[in-house]
Amino acid sequence: ILNVEQSPQSLHVQEGDSTNFTCSFPSSNFYALHWYRWETAKSPEALFVMTLNGDEKKKGRISATLNTKEGYSYLYIKGSQPEDSATYLCAYSGGYQKVTFGTGTKLQVIP
Amino acid sequence: DVKVTQSSRYLVKRTGEKVFLECVQDMDHENMFWYRQDPGLGLRLIYFSYDVKMKEKGDIPEGYSVSREKKERFSLILESASTNQTSMYLCASSFQIGERNQPQHFGDGTRLSIL
Repeated sequence: ILNVEQSPQSLHVQEGDSTNFTCSFPSSNFYALHWYRWETAKSPEALFVMTLNGDEKKKGRISATLNTKEGYSYLYIKGSQPEDSATYLCAYSGGYQKVTFGTGTKLQVIP
Repeated sequence: DVKVTQSSRYLVKRTGEKVFLECVQDMDHENMFWYRQDPGLGLRLIYFSYDVKMKEKGDIPEGYSVSREKKERFSLILESASTNQTSMYLCASSFQIGERNQPQHFGDGTRLSIL
C-alpha cells in the first residue's frame, strides 16, 4: 500500500486568515495528484487534478502547487471563510486506474 | 452534473447477514469504485471496476465481493457481515479515457452498522 501523507491532521484558523497544508506522496511512477474537498454531510468534491511538475492550479481563493520530483503538493486558501471548513483530501495516482488517498486535513474556520 | 446515487444513507444489519450496497451513476463513466472510510485511516479502496463484468481488487478486498452487470450500476456485497465492517462506504465513478487524470465523482455515502 502506497504512503500518502497529509499534514497537519487538523487546524483551526480565524476568518480572514490564509492557510496552507501539505500532501506528500511517492516521487516514483507519478501520474497525477488529486485534491478533494469533503464537507460534513456531503460527498467529496474534486478541486484539482494535477499532472505536471511545477503545475499550479487555482479556483477562486484556493490554489495548489505540485512538485513531483520531491513528492509533495501544497494547497493554499487565501482569506479563509467559514464555508471553507471541510476536510481536504489529496489522492496520488501511480498508474492504472486507481488512486491512493491521504487521511486528510480537517480545516475549521472560526468566524 | 454527474450524479452518483447510493441506495441507502444509513443501514443497520446483523452479523452473518449478506449485505448489498448499491451504487448507480448517470454519466456513462467506465470506472466505478467502492471505498470505506474509517476515522484516522482515510478512504481505502475495496474494489474497482473499469468495465462491465470486470473487477479488480483494491487494498482491502477481504470479506467483500462486487458485481457490475450493467455499466451504470456497481454493487458491493458483504458475504457474511461482521462487526469490523461497520463503516462509512462511498461509491465513486470516473471516465476512463486519460483515466489517471480524471477526477472521481462520489456518492453521499452509506453509513453501515453491523450489530
